Amino acid sequence: DIQMTQSPSSLSASVGDRVTITCRTSQNIGRHLNWYQQKPGRAPDLLIFAAFRLQSGVPSRFSGSGSGTDFTLTISSLQPEDFATYYCQQSSSTPRTFGPGTKVDIK
Amino acid sequence: QVQLEQSGAEVKKPGASVKVSCKVSGFSLTELSTHWVRQAPGKGLQWLGGFDPEHGETIYAQAFQGRVSMTEDTSTSTAYMELSSLRIEDTAVYYCATSPRSGPTIETFHIWSQGTMVTVSS
Repeated sequence: DIQMTQSPSSLSASVGDRVTITCRTSQNIGRHLNWYQQKPGRAPDLLIFAAFRLQSGVPSRFSGSGSGTDFTLTISSLQPEDFATYYCQQSSSTPRTFGPGTKVDIK
Repeated sequence: QVQLEQSGAEVKKPGASVKVSCKVSGFSLTELSTHWVRQAPGKGLQWLGGFDPEHGETIYAQAFQGRVSMTEDTSTSTAYMELSSLRIEDTAVYYCATSPRSGPTIETFHIWSQGTMVTVSS
C-alpha cells in the first residue's frame, strides 16, 4: 500500500495569511493526487485533482502543485470559510489511501 | 448534478452485519463509480472499496476483504455496502462517494453523501 504523510498535522493562521500544506507519498504516484476539504460534521469536498487541477466552483486562492512523491496545497489568502481539515489522497493504485489530515484553525 | 442520499444511522452488536444504502439521483448509476469511505470519530478517512472503471469490477481494500460486499441495484439507482462480523472499532461514519466513469475527475471522490453513522456496541 502507498503510505501518505502530511505536514503539519495542524496549524493556526489568521485571515489573509498564506498557508501551505505538504503531502508526501511512499511511492512515485506521478500526478495522481487529490485534495479534499472537510468541515466539522460534514462530508469532504473535492478541491484539487490530478495534483494541480482546480475543481469547478473552488475559489482560485486554492492551488496545488507537485509530482512524484511531494505535493503541496496552497491557500494564497486564508478566508474565514477555509478553517477546516485538509486531506490528500492518492489515486495511483488501490487501495486508495488518504493522508492523516491537516487541521487549519484560527490563530 | 449528482445527489446522494444515504440510509439512516444504525446501532449494531459485535458480530452482526450492517447494510447501508446510497440512492443516486441526477445521474445514471451505470455512468458512475461508487466508492465507500469511512471515518471513525475524530479520525481520518479510510477507503473500503469501490468500482474500478478501468477493470470493470469492484475492488475491496485488503483490510476488509471477506467482510465487505458492495452491490448496486440499477432499477432503483441504489448502491449498497454490507459489512459483516462487526467489531467495536468499526464504529464510524460511512460515506458513499461517486465519480464519473470517464472524464478528468474519474480518479477522484467527486460527490459525497451526507454519511451514515454506524455504532457497534454491546
